[in-house]
Amino acid sequence: DQQVKQNSPSLSVQEGRISILNCDYTNSMFDYFLWYKKYPAEGPTFLISISSIKDKNEDGRFTVFLNKSAKHLSLHIVPSQPGDSAVYFCAARDGEGADGLTFGKGTHLIIQP
Amino acid sequence: NAGVTQTPKFRILKIGQSMTLQCTQDMNHNYMYWYRQDPGMGLKLIYYSVGAGITDKGEVPNGYNVSRSTTEDFPLRLELAAPSQTSVYFCASQQGKETQYFGPGTRLLVL
Repeated sequence: DQQVKQNSPSLSVQEGRISILNCDYTNSMFDYFLWYKKYPAEGPTFLISISSIKDKNEDGRFTVFLNKSAKHLSLHIVPSQPGDSAVYFCAARDGEGADGLTFGKGTHLIIQP
Repeated sequence: NAGVTQTPKFRILKIGQSMTLQCTQDMNHNYMYWYRQDPGMGLKLIYYSVGAGITDKGEVPNGYNVSRSTTEDFPLRLELAAPSQTSVYFCASQQGKETQYFGPGTRLLVL
């Protein structure tokens, strides 16, 4: 049973436009959410995170929105750039997360020139 | 800081062989993790450790063993390699409630 779901395996967006990546979760104990970006043959790199006490967190071109009642979060990238082409993983944890992160399957974002 | 390093980068094993995947971090993090990623899937937790001498099973521990004798090192042992263990393995470390940092991965092929 997947506790973190990314239902879009891939997403194609034109350069300069907004990219919106979605993530749903089922475990109401999750209280911290993270987005990781992954290039081929590299490890995931941290992008942005949000605590469950917030509904928005912004860092430059990246904004994460959290809707707790819907158990849904989204990552917005504005404007999208060619270097943003990668696989994006949504991850969640409860408490301090000492026992690891729960990951979605990832969304492959392709930025078209 | 080198961060989290993993060796080897790539390895081919025959069924039944054993090997150890190495992981080292130089950030003095207490928490360390091993994940595997199969094609088209997210990362799944194999084992984790909250400090030297303490290890615990994750979601998919069967066929693996770990040890944590120092803060820096967290090796993952495969005793009898099986084709189902063909995957990419990622090691990660974390300090308290901070972000989890990942190594570059080890690609393992079992034939």
